[in-house]
Amino acid sequence: GQNIDQPTEMTATEGAIVQINCTYQTSGFNGLFWYQQHAGEAPTFLSYNVLDGLEEKGRFSSFLSRSKGYSYLLLKELQMKDSASYLCAVNYGGSQGNLIFGKGTKLSVKP
Amino acid sequence: KAGVTQTPRYLIKTRGQQVTLSCSPISGHRSVSWYQQTPGQGLQFLFEYFSETQRNKGNFPGRFSGRQFSNSRSEMNVSTLELGDSALYLCASSLGGGPTDTQYFGPGTRLTVL
Repeated sequence: GQNIDQPTEMTATEGAIVQINCTYQTSGFNGLFWYQQHAGEAPTFLSYNVLDGLEEKGRFSSFLSRSKGYSYLLLKELQMKDSASYLCAVNYGGSQGNLIFGKGTKLSVKP
Repeated sequence: KAGVTQTPRYLIKTRGQQVTLSCSPISGHRSVSWYQQTPGQGLQFLFEYFSETQRNKGNFPGRFSGRQFSNSRSEMNVSTLELGDSALYLCASSLGGGPTDTQYFGPGTRLTVL
């Protein structure tokens, strides 16, 4: 199968930096998405990586290494509102039907 | 632009019943995908529709079915409900459903099967 692995839970302090890792099987890889999902709400798009390197978008950055099957989401200057689940999803080619999601990382930001 | 809408938001059914959920995509989006989200399994792909045709299907039993209308609105149906079907059902729309297209999710329908 095409397993997407990410830590189940993480805790960090307000104002700090946290890195959420995601590993995936490289065969058929065609792009990686990060989504944020607050409890009881719909997932919202954060970032998309298809080439190696770092994509920066404000306080959030996402990194991809295709050869290693590895990505991370970096959240800087953490705020309480960043407490949410972060979902890593990989497209294995073709249309959206080949988008495989990890089970998500629940991030808790403490004061 | 209005976002993806789903109705109903909450639903309680009993085993053996059937249920129909509705999804209205963002205006102009032609691809609609359906997902089941549970605490144990996370987000799992059910199926994707594009221009009224099912383009992809996940690994779910035939009790799960769907359709898409000419205005891109989509419905999914679950027949002979089982306790394990209790979940949050999310639909997501994108412009063309291509691999680089961003999916925009609706708020979901919370289905409880008793």
